[in-house]
Amino acid sequence: KAGVTQTPRYLIKTRGQQVTLSCSPISGHRSVSWYQQTPGQGLQFLFEYFSETQRNKGNFPGRFSGRQFSNSRSEMNVSTLELGDSALYLCASSLGNREGETQYFGPGTRLLVL
Amino acid sequence: GEDVEQSLFLSVREGDSSVINCTYTDSSSTYLYWYKQEPGAGLQLLTYIFSNMDMKQDQRLTVLLNKKDKHLSLRIADTQTGDSAIYFCAGRLGGSQGNLIFGKGTKLSVKP
Repeated sequence: KAGVTQTPRYLIKTRGQQVTLSCSPISGHRSVSWYQQTPGQGLQFLFEYFSETQRNKGNFPGRFSGRQFSNSRSEMNVSTLELGDSALYLCASSLGNREGETQYFGPGTRLLVL
Repeated sequence: GEDVEQSLFLSVREGDSSVINCTYTDSSSTYLYWYKQEPGAGLQLLTYIFSNMDMKQDQRLTVLLNKKDKHLSLRIADTQTGDSAIYFCAGRLGGSQGNLIFGKGTKLSVKP
């Protein structure tokens, strides 16, 4: 079974631009969660989608948004990029039944904002 | 809210055992996880333990859970240079529901 895939793997943007990241979960997984990883803050939860609905949300500004499609693929969008948005963005998928719900992570998208 | 604490660095010699420690604050954390991250890579799930267990062993990995002290440890037997990585402890906020809360990670360096 293929693992979680994320595209693109690397991205360079300038301040003020917007960016869209994509995540394809493991086949059969209906939950997709997004995390931001930075050296200073570590791994922080952004949001979780299940069956095309946002089920859980972390403490990030509204510039960070996401969505999930009927095939469970998810996209994350960051508008009006700031230098501090430079980070590794990880997505994780799980079955979504909430008992145990082990999350499997993709390789991440490394975003650099100049 | 939930907080997960880990020591930042650990250095061991090849062949020795490594013990990575983690403490958490949320007593309702039903599931606790250990993830490994190699340079430039995502997170790899190593193992997990349910709160009704005290110990779980999986080949070279042993997880010990002390619920009273809210302390979790990961022991790696016969540590190899390929085990050099950052190890993250994570708990699920609010028990079986909710998102994962991660520690800052422990960087394990294995010297030959």
